Amino acid sequence: AQSVTQLDSHVSVSEGTPVLLRCNYSSSYSPSLFWYVQHPNKGLQLLLKYTSAATLVKGINGFEAEFKKSETSFHLTKPSAHMSDAAEYFCVVSEKGGFQKLVFGTGTRLLVSP
Amino acid sequence: DTAVSQTPKYLVTQMGNDKSIKCEQNLGHDTMYWYKQDSKKFLKIMFSYNNKELIINETVPNRFSPKSPDKAHLNLHINSLELGDSAVYFCASSQEVGRTSYNEQFFGPGTRLTVL
Repeated sequence: AQSVTQLDSHVSVSEGTPVLLRCNYSSSYSPSLFWYVQHPNKGLQLLLKYTSAATLVKGINGFEAEFKKSETSFHLTKPSAHMSDAAEYFCVVSEKGGFQKLVFGTGTRLLVSP
Repeated sequence: DTAVSQTPKYLVTQMGNDKSIKCEQNLGHDTMYWYKQDSKKFLKIMFSYNNKELIINETVPNRFSPKSPDKAHLNLHINSLELGDSAVYFCASSQEVGRTSYNEQFFGPGTRLTVL
């Protein structure tokens, strides 16, 4: 079975500084990987996805993630944090074969201070 | 227009009651999902329907019964509610048939269920 581990439950940054949210995955096959964001009391929105094309994936709002097979990682980065980035971020893996089934990580809460 | 909508947004009820949550998507997708998010923010899939046919059924108590009257709707009925059912329930949809890669799932705003 596939799984993801988000290494930090909380990450605090100052506005204007870089963001790094870490994610490691476990998969028997080449996985599809996603990052979703959840703002307070809102649904989930896709930030970006990796589906075996380019290993560096660019998403919305300046976020990007790099798929590193040797490290089984898919870390999310942003060069400069904005106050509006404060939210819960989920790393997600999709199981291969048949219909899509998303397996979520436990989430990382990003806190951005002025 | 809201792509994936859920009603109600909040639901407060007593233990033992039966309740339903409705979900509608206007994206023309063929697959819909129900997820449960617990108090620690952990999200887990419960069910998935493709063209009104059940395709994913995780180990969910049979008190939970999804119903899909058509491709655009997936409702969740819960019998004999228990305290542990308190959570946020999210509906989602995606287009699966004919896809060449894994397509984005679009999520609704969630329904916060509180069982007293």
